[in-house]
Amino acid sequence: NAGVTQTPKFQVLKTGQSMTLQCAQDMNHEYMSWYRQDPGMGLRLIHYSVGAGITDQGEVPNGYNVSRSTTEDFPLRLLSAAPSQTSVYFCASRPPSSYEQYFGPGTRLTVT
Amino acid sequence: DAKTTQPNSMESNEEEPVHLPCNHSTISGTDYIHWYRQLPSQGPEYVIHGLTSNVNNRMASLAIAEDRKSSTLILHRATLRDAAVYYCIFGYGNKLVFGAGTILRVKS
Repeated sequence: NAGVTQTPKFQVLKTGQSMTLQCAQDMNHEYMSWYRQDPGMGLRLIHYSVGAGITDQGEVPNGYNVSRSTTEDFPLRLLSAAPSQTSVYFCASRPPSSYEQYFGPGTRLTVT
Repeated sequence: DAKTTQPNSMESNEEEPVHLPCNHSTISGTDYIHWYRQLPSQGPEYVIHGLTSNVNNRMASLAIAEDRKSSTLILHRATLRDAAVYYCIFGYGNKLVFGAGTILRVKS
């Protein structure tokens, strides 16, 4: 199993540009989440999903959209990038029967 | 928000036990206590979780106070590979709120 994969690893955007961060998992996990991590801080939950077609907001959802059309994929869309969205983004998944989350390697995003 | 209090950093010698404390005085009865760790430039990694009783797994032990307002993660024999940021989190379901964590340094 590849586990949780994220692409790209690095990305630089200009203010106002849009992009999609990709996340995929091959463990058939129903639950998936997106977090952001700012320097010296812990992770903050952006959006999460408990299954295909079901998403909900986390702690810091503004400026981000998600959709979940398949169990495997959970893309995160930045609608109009802002410098405040410069961060490292982590995707995670877990089965509903377990509290153990599996995290991807992260995407480092810089908005100039 | 679910808030935990952890020391900013701790230091340990290799092969010695490490006790990482965490205070979570606002925990509710249904909140689980989770511990994750993050090695440099990697995503967080699950360590252990528990509700009321002490828990053991291959990585660590979790000691939970009787009033559940605090807990301690125990690494029985620290190795250089255990150097990481350790996060104590409490929450239910998908809404886990990570604090700043404890930076654990391990000296050889």
